[in-house]
Amino acid sequence: QSALTQPASVSGSPGQSITLSCTGTSSDIGAYNYVSWYQQHPGKVPKLMIYDVRYRPSGVSDRFSGSKSGNTASLTISGLQAEDEADYYCCSYTTSGTLMFGGGTKLTVL
Amino acid sequence: EVQLVESGGDLVQPGGSLRLSCAASGFTFSTYAMDWVRQAPGKGLVWVSRINSDGSRATYADSVKGRFTMSRDNAKNTLNLEMNRLRVEDTGLYYCARDYQGMSIWGQGTVVTVSS
Repeated sequence: QSALTQPASVSGSPGQSITLSCTGTSSDIGAYNYVSWYQQHPGKVPKLMIYDVRYRPSGVSDRFSGSKSGNTASLTISGLQAEDEADYYCCSYTTSGTLMFGGGTKLTVL
Repeated sequence: EVQLVESGGDLVQPGGSLRLSCAASGFTFSTYAMDWVRQAPGKGLVWVSRINSDGSRATYADSVKGRFTMSRDNAKNTLNLEMNRLRVEDTGLYYCARDYQGMSIWGQGTVVTVSS
C-alpha cells in the first residue's frame, strides 16, 4: 500500500485560484468515486472539505471544489484567502477494501 | 452535540500492547462505519483501520495487519483498537473518525508513544 501522490507544497496569492492534485492508480482513485479531501491547520483536527470526489459537506465554502479524471483527483480553491493556508490531504477507497491517504500538500498563501 | 472522545494513549515499550477507545455521543453510533487514523509527529495522516456499522468486518492497513484489532460495542457506543507487538513507527496521535460521506466527524486524538 503506497500513499497517494500529492505535491509537497503549493503556493498562491490572495484572490487567486489554485488546484491541488492527488494521483493514484486504477486500484484506488480510478476505481471508485470515493475520494475525499481534508484540511488541517497546525495543531488542529482534520476537517472534511470534499467527499465522493465533488460534494461539499454543509458549512464548507463553495470556494472549494473537487473533480477527478482517470487516476487523478483534484481540489480547486478559488478566491484564495489567508485562512486557507493549511495542509491538505486526499483520501481514496481502494479495491482491497481499505482506505489510503495522500502524503499531504502544504498550501502557502503568499 | 456530535462528539468522539479517544482515550487510552500512553508510553509503551517496543513489543508492548495498548488498547485505545473512542466514545461516541450525539448520533446513532450503530449506523455508521468508523475509522482509526494516525499521525506521527510532524507527518501526514495515515489510515489505520475501518470497521463496518455492525462490527462484522474490519479492514487494516498492511503496516498493522496481524498486530492491531479493531472492534466496537454498539450497546456502549464505543470503538476499540487493540494494538499488539507495538513498534517505534506506531508512535503518533491516533484519531477515531465517523465514516459516512467521508470522515465527517473526528475526535481530538490520543497520543501513543512507543519507545524504550
